[in-house]
Parts: sequence; C-alpha cells; structure tokens
Amino acid sequence: NAGVTQTPKFRVLKTGQSMTLLCAQDMNHEYMYWYRQDPGMGLRLIHYSVGEGTTAKGEVPDGYNVSRLKKQNFLLGLESAAPSQTSVYFCASSRSSGGAAGELFFGEGSRLTVL
Amino acid sequence: RKEVEQDPGPFNVPEGATVAFNCTYSNSASQSFFWYRQDCRKEPKLLMSVYSSGNEDGRFTAQLNRASQYISLLIRDSKLSDSATYLCVVNRGNYGQNFVFGPGTRLSVLP
Repeated sequence: NAGVTQTPKFRVLKTGQSMTLLCAQDMNHEYMYWYRQDPGMGLRLIHYSVGEGTTAKGEVPDGYNVSRLKKQNFLLGLESAAPSQTSVYFCASSRSSGGAAGELFFGEGSRLTVL
Repeated sequence: RKEVEQDPGPFNVPEGATVAFNCTYSNSASQSFFWYRQDCRKEPKLLMSVYSSGNEDGRFTAQLNRASQYISLLIRDSKLSDSATYLCVVNRGNYGQNFVFGPGTRLSVLP
C-alpha cells in the first residue's frame, strides 16, 4: 500500500532557483494538502485542493503555487526559492465525506534547503 | 496567540510512568479534535480522535472539554516506543482544509 508518496525526499536549492514537489495518492481521496513544518511552529497549511482542477490558498501561500490536474496528484511549485522556504514539506490527503473531517494521511516529507 | 497551544515540553519520564499532555484551542467554532503522533524525522500519523464523552484506546485516554476549549491526552504505563512528538489537531469545520495543528509536545520515555 503506497498511500501518499512525495518526491523528491531531499533537495538543496540556491536562492532564486525553481523546483516542483510532486505528491501522489492512491486512495482516491478528494482532498489534498501541502503543509510546511518548521521548528516550534507546528504544521502550517500552504495550499489545498478539494478536487481535481481546484486549488485554494492556505495560511502561508506566498512564494508557492500548486496544481491539481489529476485527482491523484498535487504539485507544489517554488518559482524563485528563498532561504525562508527552507523547511520540511508534507503532502497529505483525506476523504471528503461529511460530518467530522476524517483522518489525514501524510507522505514521508520532503526536506528542502535553500542556500 | 496561536490558535492551538500545547505544553511546551519536552517531557522526560521513566518507563511505566503516566504522563498527561494538555492542549487548548481558541476557536470556539472548532468541531472535531485529534491527537497525532510524529516520530523523529517522520510524518505525523493519527493516534486517536477525541470525542466529547472522552475515549480510550488501550493505554491512551483522550478527553475534551468544549466549555474550557481544552483537550488532553493521558498515556499510562509508558513504553520506550511511546517516545515521539504528540500533536494536538483541531478541525474548525466539516471540511478537511480547516485542520489546525499545535506545535507539538515531545515525549522521551527513559529506560
């Protein structure tokens, strides 16, 4: 069971470079999310998607863009990387059923360093 | 003030000890509550949901006090394998994008 898969796992960038993080889930979940985790801050939501072709901004969207062209994939792009974007990035997915929101399933994380 | 706050930790306890974590949330419209566990350099994983009546899963007991906007997690008979960071998570609404994470409390269970 693959669940949620993120690539790459590690990346070092120079300031100003661009890159894309790929997230893929095989659970047929409607909702997908990108979080970043920094020491002492907790996970913060960057962008999310409630279905194929839809995206929306989260708490810290500046400097990032996303796309959800296929239901199973959610891409996070950094157009011009900055040292402040050094972080661990987690992709997650969840079902969209009503009532109390269900469990979040996370990928293993992508460690990004911007020099 | 953060929307979800937790004991700063770290907690260092001997094997077999009972340890309690506290969490408070500021948004009274929050509707569902969870504890996640995150091992060092790993992804968070759901430990348990928290229900209004309180719930128990083996050695773990979660309590919710909506009036005080307070959530707790009690771990009895701590094991070495319980060493991890415990994240309090609050969902503001019925839809998944409203998850808010606390900063986490780190637990080290010592032999």
